[in-house]
Amino acid sequence: DIVLTQSPATLSLSPGDRVTLSCRASESVSSSYLAWYQQRPGQAPRLLMYATSSRATGTPDRFSGRGSGAVFSLTISRVEPEDFAVYYCQHYGNRPPYSFGQGTRLEI
Amino acid sequence: QVRLVESGGGLVKPGGSLRLSCAASGFTFSDYYMSWIRQAPGKGLEWISYVSSSGTTKYYADSVKGRFTISRDNSNNSLSLQVNSLRAGDTAVYYCARVSYSNAFDIWGQGTMVTVSS
Repeated sequence: DIVLTQSPATLSLSPGDRVTLSCRASESVSSSYLAWYQQRPGQAPRLLMYATSSRATGTPDRFSGRGSGAVFSLTISRVEPEDFAVYYCQHYGNRPPYSFGQGTRLEI
Repeated sequence: QVRLVESGGGLVKPGGSLRLSCAASGFTFSDYYMSWIRQAPGKGLEWISYVSSSGTTKYYADSVKGRFTISRDNSNNSLSLQVNSLRAGDTAVYYCARVSYSNAFDIWGQGTMVTVSS
């Protein structure tokens, strides 16, 4: 099974900062099957990006994704107060098992 | 409005069983694959099960295989997860999610908490 490793575990930032979150897969994966989710405290996860760089409905354009092979990233160009949350990458393949990274927490 | 609402969680003793439900609304339920994902307290997300739109194809994570059973009722727009032989490690919030046409999980419910404790 593919293992996703996110780094760093926690990032301390200020509103307005630019930040890049990293997600590394244990083997090369198709960029068509890499997603990012945002989870705010006490809420369910929300799909942010899919197919590496496609924004889900409602995702602001300050979020962008890139990557290929085994290295992927999510960038927030200017962090807003509502962006302080936990971010998970996910490989979903064309059949299970699906795997999630362990998450990166953005904190003020 | 596209919505998923889970129910059925609660406190159960080790070895016990529960049936979790997920009610779907606002979209053509029978067109979509569905999944269950769980999150232990303070931990990350763990995918646990998946069912095709017709209900004929099912997958499970190794951690729940043989103990959990996913099913769906397209006539009632509902998804279920029968959870048996529960262990302390199954304590988590259980989310149902819609699998989009791109295979990402695009709609999530608010979750239902399962606590396994004596």
